Amino acid sequence: DSGVTQTPKHLITATGQRVTLRCSPRSGDLSVYWYQQSLDQGLQFLIQYYNGEERAKGNILERFSAQQFPDLHSELNLSSLELGDSALYFCASSVGAGRDNEQFFGPGTRLTVL
Amino acid sequence: AQSVAQPEDQVNVAEGNPLTVKCTYSVSGNPYLFWYVQYPNRGLQFLLKYITGDNLVKGSYGFEAEFNKSQTSFHLKKPSALVSDSALYFCAVRPGGFKTIFGAGTRLFVKA
Repeated sequence: DSGVTQTPKHLITATGQRVTLRCSPRSGDLSVYWYQQSLDQGLQFLIQYYNGEERAKGNILERFSAQQFPDLHSELNLSSLELGDSALYFCASSVGAGRDNEQFFGPGTRLTVL
Repeated sequence: AQSVAQPEDQVNVAEGNPLTVKCTYSVSGNPYLFWYVQYPNRGLQFLLKYITGDNLVKGSYGFEAEFNKSQTSFHLKKPSALVSDSALYFCAVRPGGFKTIFGAGTRLFVKA
């Protein structure tokens, strides 16, 4: 158990809908990362927050947004969902924001868009 | 473009034999390099990292990795494979900046 929690574990929804994925980092970690894992795209970095501030953006679509709250938990919002958004979404956390920090991954949220 | 390549989709080894999972990268500057392992229905787990210093890095569960700057490689190794090592292995690089670039993953199958 990494100490990173994600809810829900599974999410099934329809195209056009909006969902929110939640992540609580390990105790003491200030950085949160979001990733999308799919069979065709592999593991793609979406976005990183550090202590409430956005630090880096990867391949995140405009339909997606995220934030990190004062208590350091983070939410990833996915809107106008398409079939291609079906994937496993991981949250990870690390102590600091620097690139030498190893990341600790949550168990993931499996999103299915029908 | 910055990238990480894991040239083998799958590696098959017999239990007790040494294993190598290959990783090469193409990034500018001095990258920080990582290996992670993913077991079925689980998130990734950190194995080891190379930041600077000794080219041979030791990590969790008896794994080690060798950094080779001239060949831009960071191969994962273990002297004696266990059946429980069977999993999906990811190489990752953090070039300058904050992004993390993952390879496509290599599935390791260790046969008893």
